Amino acid sequence: QVQLVESGGGLVKPGGSLRLSCAASGFTFSDYYMSWIRQAPGKGLEWLTYISDSGSTIYYADSVKGRFTISRDNAKNSLNLQMNSLRAEDTAVYYCARGYLTDYYGRAVGYWGQGALVTVSS
Amino acid sequence: DIQMTQSPSSLSASVGDRVTITCRASQGIANYLAWYQQKPGKVPKLLIYAASTLQSGVPSRFTGSGSGTDFTLTISSLQPEDVATYYCQKYDSAPDTFGPGTKVGIK
Repeated sequence: QVQLVESGGGLVKPGGSLRLSCAASGFTFSDYYMSWIRQAPGKGLEWLTYISDSGSTIYYADSVKGRFTISRDNAKNSLNLQMNSLRAEDTAVYYCARGYLTDYYGRAVGYWGQGALVTVSS
Repeated sequence: DIQMTQSPSSLSASVGDRVTITCRASQGIANYLAWYQQKPGKVPKLLIYAASTLQSGVPSRFTGSGSGTDFTLTISSLQPEDVATYYCQKYDSAPDTFGPGTKVGIK
């Protein structure tokens, strides 16, 4: 079965950095677009970024552009999110997400990880 | 960027009622629209993709419709287990913006 397991969350000071990882299993990782989505406490879902199956195409939301970097290692079935210059408003649960189909227009999220909590506070 | 809005922001209905949630895109997105259900404390779940295609395993009381800029999610007969927040998401082109959500409760 499809599994997405995030790791790397925790408490970080404003201006600091954190790297989230997502270990994927149960499917051919290199076939799917992958995304990161976050949800601040008590708030709605915010799409952050996606990376194409090959890693050649990446797009970011304006709120994280220039601060966050998505990457993937298809040999290791892993997805990463490097988060720099963190702010209090980046406090959220971060979800690793897989498209429901294996193409560009299959990016709607068919599978979600359980989420990793990132808290940015001094 | 295309903006997504949802209405109402919350609603309360009786068990068995027909419930309709609207999602609107500020520009046309064809049928590249998904609906998700998030129950309290849980991970979101895909209900509908391509505006009207029911994800496998989702009860048939959920239906989606629309294309272009206006979309609806309908629950034909509200059940207690449908208490949740419902989100739409566009995925025609990045950014893959979510709507602000509609919280559905039981009267």
